[in-house]
Formats: sequence, C-alpha cells, structure tokens
Amino acid sequence: GAGVSQSPSNKVTEKGKDVELRCDPISGHTALYWYRQRLGQGLEFLIYFQGNSAPDKSGLPSDRFSAERTGESVSTLTIQRTQQEDSAVYLCASSTTGGAGYGYTFGSGTRLTVV
Amino acid sequence: TQLLEQSPQFLSIQEGENLTVYCNSSSVFSSLQWYRQEPGEGPVLLVTVVTGGEVKKLKRLTFQFGDARKDSSLHITAAQPGDTGLYLCAGPRGGYGKLTFGQGTILTVHP
Repeated sequence: GAGVSQSPSNKVTEKGKDVELRCDPISGHTALYWYRQRLGQGLEFLIYFQGNSAPDKSGLPSDRFSAERTGESVSTLTIQRTQQEDSAVYLCASSTTGGAGYGYTFGSGTRLTVV
Repeated sequence: TQLLEQSPQFLSIQEGENLTVYCNSSSVFSSLQWYRQEPGEGPVLLVTVVTGGEVKKLKRLTFQFGDARKDSSLHITAAQPGDTGLYLCAGPRGGYGKLTFGQGTILTVHP
C-alpha cells in the first residue's frame, strides 16, 4: 500500500483480556518497528524486525508482550493479560533498509484503552 | 533521564510570530531527525540532518545541526495555525535501526 496501515485504530479492552494489534508496512520495506507512546511522553521503542534476521526484542516491557512478522509483510503485536498501564498509542513504522539515519514512515497508530 | 532533551515542552503563540524549538544531548549523534505529529496521526518525518553545522530549510522551517553533532534546533518563521502539532526530535541509538526520541514540544498557534 501507499503507507503504513494499522488496525484497529482504536481498541477498548477489559483488564486481563488479550489484544492483538496489526501493522501492514509499506511494500518493499524490509525493516519494521513498534513503538509505544504514552500520553504526554515521547516514543518508547518496543521491537524491531529486519528482513529474516532475529528480531530485536530489547524494548518489550514484559513477557506479556510479543510480536511476530511474516517475512517482510504483516506484523502483529500481542499483549496478554492487559493491564491499565498498557493504555497508550501503539505506533508501527517501516523503513527501506533498517538504517535509522534515514527516517521512518509511521502508521496512524492504535489507541489502546484498558478499562 | 532523556537522552534527547527538548525545550520548551509547551509553546503557545499567535499567528505570525517566530519560534525556536531546541533538542539537546550530551552525546554525539551521527544524524538527527525532526518529526511532526498531529492528533490521531503518526509522526511524519520533516528532515534529517547529518553533517555538523548543517542548515536545512523547508519553506518557513529552518533546521540546524550543531557543530559538535550534540544538538539541533527547529526555527519556524511567521507561524501559522497549520503548524500546530507535536514536534519530536530523534536520533539513532541503541543498535542498528533503532531511534531514540525526545519527549516532544507541543506547539499551538492561535489564529
């Protein structure tokens, strides 16, 4: 597609439930990133996929968070047993080479609210 | 502690005024980027600066990278309501492909 597509755009879930967030990167972009943006704060790195290499999971805040990517296409971020502190906007981005110096293209994000 | 410190955090000005947003670090960066984010949208890349002392212009926006590559500034001339948004600086850090972001500057331009 023309841009990075994320779904759903909004998700309200009850505490303790699992949620799955989806990201469709720009076709041909080998690198894909997930970031979290809490209200009034900057972007927090979660996970990075580059081609067929093992993902960099160093930013995942707990083992309740996991992510997968199929080849160089769709990625899903799963949060198990959601907590209220998981409420945030989850942003996906992609780039051509994975070299961060060239900038990312972001999707519009998924706003997750845990009640 | 943020690796990239932005100031001010909030800026509220009238249409036509000039403003400058700063992004500072004690660390050297190979490049720095500026993004603008509007409500309900993801950040959009405005510019990447890669050479110490570099100045780039994008219409009414002027971006500068410090000589020591530890800081950057964004200057807007004759601000317009359409400039309203969250401005983020970011730089590569923590491994190949990863960006670290400043906490952002929320700019509101009143008509």
